[in-house]
Amino acid sequence: EVQLVESGGGLVQPGGSLRLSCAASGFTVSSNYMSWVRQAPGKGLEWVSVIYSGGSTYYADSVKGRFTISRDNSKNTLYLQMNSLRAEDTAVYYCARDDLVGPGAYWGQGTLVTVSS
Amino acid sequence: QPVLTQPPSASASLGASVTLTCTLSSGYSNYKVDWYQQRPGKGPRFVMRVGTGGIVGSKGDGIPDRFSVLGSGLNRYLTIKNIQEEDESDYHCGADHGSGSNFVWVFGGGTKLTVL
Repeated sequence: EVQLVESGGGLVQPGGSLRLSCAASGFTVSSNYMSWVRQAPGKGLEWVSVIYSGGSTYYADSVKGRFTISRDNSKNTLYLQMNSLRAEDTAVYYCARDDLVGPGAYWGQGTLVTVSS
Repeated sequence: QPVLTQPPSASASLGASVTLTCTLSSGYSNYKVDWYQQRPGKGPRFVMRVGTGGIVGSKGDGIPDRFSVLGSGLNRYLTIKNIQEEDESDYHCGADHGSGSNFVWVFGGGTKLTVL
């Protein structure tokens, strides 16, 4: 059974950093393309970043240069390093896995990031 | 990349049917769209993908036969028949595009479905 469990969220001051983790089970992270998607309070979904099985990475313009997606194959875990955080980065962050059809076949339960002084 | 537009709310009575609409911006009529269900306090759940020819691939795990899709022009529809209380959710549509040098995944604003 595919499972994705996010962790690492919390309260951080503007300009601070945080690293999110997404522990995967039931499949191999490196064999799929994995994404981070966020949802600000009361708002819709916003794609943040993707890492392909081959290692290529892409980012939304809103986070480019501040966020870094990576994975640890030995831990079967996906990460999102977030630097220079802003109030507008406040959101629940979800990791998602693709399948043959598209990028959002499986999702985690999310982890809340709050950027506030 | 396309812009996806969804009405913010919809409602239907228990046992009735409802059709939710996701509209692609002009010039993107060949795009496929994914539907996601998001119950309160939960992560999104993949429902199914739809193009102008209808469903693409299979439904998501555990999605009942009451859920179906159609596509026409710039519109992608999700129909739910015999609505149940557990169908009360936010429904999001999304479209992705990946090339050799870029990837974009966009979403509509979501439709909140209320079961009366």
